[in-house]
Amino acid sequence: DVQLVESGGGLVQPGGSLRLSCTASGFTLRNYWMHWVRQAPGKGLVWVSRIIFGGTDTVYADSVKGRFTVSRDDAKNTLYLQMNSLTAEDTAVYYCARRRSTSGWPTDFDYWGQGALVTVSS
Amino acid sequence: DIQMTQSPSSLSASVGDRVTMTCRASQNINSYLIWYLQKPGKAPKLLIYDTSTLQSGVPSRFSGSGFGTDFTLTISGLQPEDFATYYCQQSQSLPLTFGGGTKVEIK
Repeated sequence: DVQLVESGGGLVQPGGSLRLSCTASGFTLRNYWMHWVRQAPGKGLVWVSRIIFGGTDTVYADSVKGRFTVSRDDAKNTLYLQMNSLTAEDTAVYYCARRRSTSGWPTDFDYWGQGALVTVSS
Repeated sequence: DIQMTQSPSSLSASVGDRVTMTCRASQNINSYLIWYLQKPGKAPKLLIYDTSTLQSGVPSRFSGSGFGTDFTLTISGLQPEDFATYYCQQSQSLPLTFGGGTKVEIK
């Protein structure tokens, strides 16, 4: 079965850093573009970042650009999100998500992790 | 950025009802419209992509339609497991954007 399992969430002080991991199983991670999506408590879904095959191209939402870095280690079947200079506005559940299609443009997500809660507070 | 607006923000319905909700894009997104269902404390679940294509395993009571800027999700014969929040998402261009959600509650 396809599974995505996030880890690394927790409480961090404003200005601090945190790294999330997303470990994939049941499929070959290197064949898929992967994304991060977040959801603040009681709010809607917000796209954060995308990384393509091999990690050679990444894209970020303006709200996290310059502070967050997405990477992948396909040998370890793991996706990462390094988050720096965190603020209260970054408090959210962070989901990793697999793009359904392995080719072409349409980007919808057929598998999601269970989510990792990141709380930024002093 | 493309803004996605869902309406209504919430609705009350009974088991067996036909339910319709809409999603409007701020510019043309062709057929690059996706629908998800999310239950409290859970990750979203893919229902429909490319406006009207059901994801594998999704019951046929779900259907989607539309093109360009106006889209609709219909549930024909609401079931107890369908009470949830529904989100639309556009994949016409980055940044990917989601609607604010429509919460379907039990009447």
